[in-house]
Amino acid sequence: KAGVTQTPRYLIKTRGQQVTLSCSPISGHRSVSWYQQTPGQGLQFLFEYFSETQRNKGNFPGRFSGRQFSNSRSEMNVSTLELGDSALYLCASSSRQPTNEKLFFGSGTQLSVL
Amino acid sequence: SQQGEEDPQALSIQEGENATMNCSYKTSINNLQWYRQNSGRGLVHLILIRSNEREKHSGRLRVTLDTSKKSSSLLITASRAADTASYFCATDKETSGSRLTFGEGTQLTVNP
Repeated sequence: KAGVTQTPRYLIKTRGQQVTLSCSPISGHRSVSWYQQTPGQGLQFLFEYFSETQRNKGNFPGRFSGRQFSNSRSEMNVSTLELGDSALYLCASSSRQPTNEKLFFGSGTQLSVL
Repeated sequence: SQQGEEDPQALSIQEGENATMNCSYKTSINNLQWYRQNSGRGLVHLILIRSNEREKHSGRLRVTLDTSKKSSSLLITASRAADTASYFCATDKETSGSRLTFGEGTQLTVNP
């Protein structure tokens, strides 16, 4: 079984631009969560989707949004990028509901905002 | 702020030694999990312990949970160079539903 796939692996953007990150969960997994990891703030929960519905959202501004498609693939979008958005963005999938048990993580997308 | 705090922040040991990492949290939980992260990569689930359990083993890993002290420890026995990584505890707060709150992590270095 293929693991969680995140694309792209690396991304460089400039302030003010927007970016879309993609996540393909493990086959059969219907839940996808997103986390932001920075050296200063650690791992912070962004949001979670299950069956195309956002079930939970972290404390991030509205510039951060996401969606899930009928095949469980998920995308997250960050608009009007700021320098502080530079981070490793991790996607995790789970077969269980609730999804707080045994998350399977992708390798992440390293976003650098210049 | 992070739900979990881990100590030490960094730990350096020799191969064959045991490594112990601690995690403290603030609110009641349903379960506590430990994850490992190799540099710049995703996290790998190691072990989950539920709030009604006190100790759990998996291979060379031993996890304890003390809900009265709101703390957990992860013991890696007979460590190997391949165990070099960051280790995170993650809690599921009773009222939060589905999301995990991660600690700040312990960077473990195992020297050959």
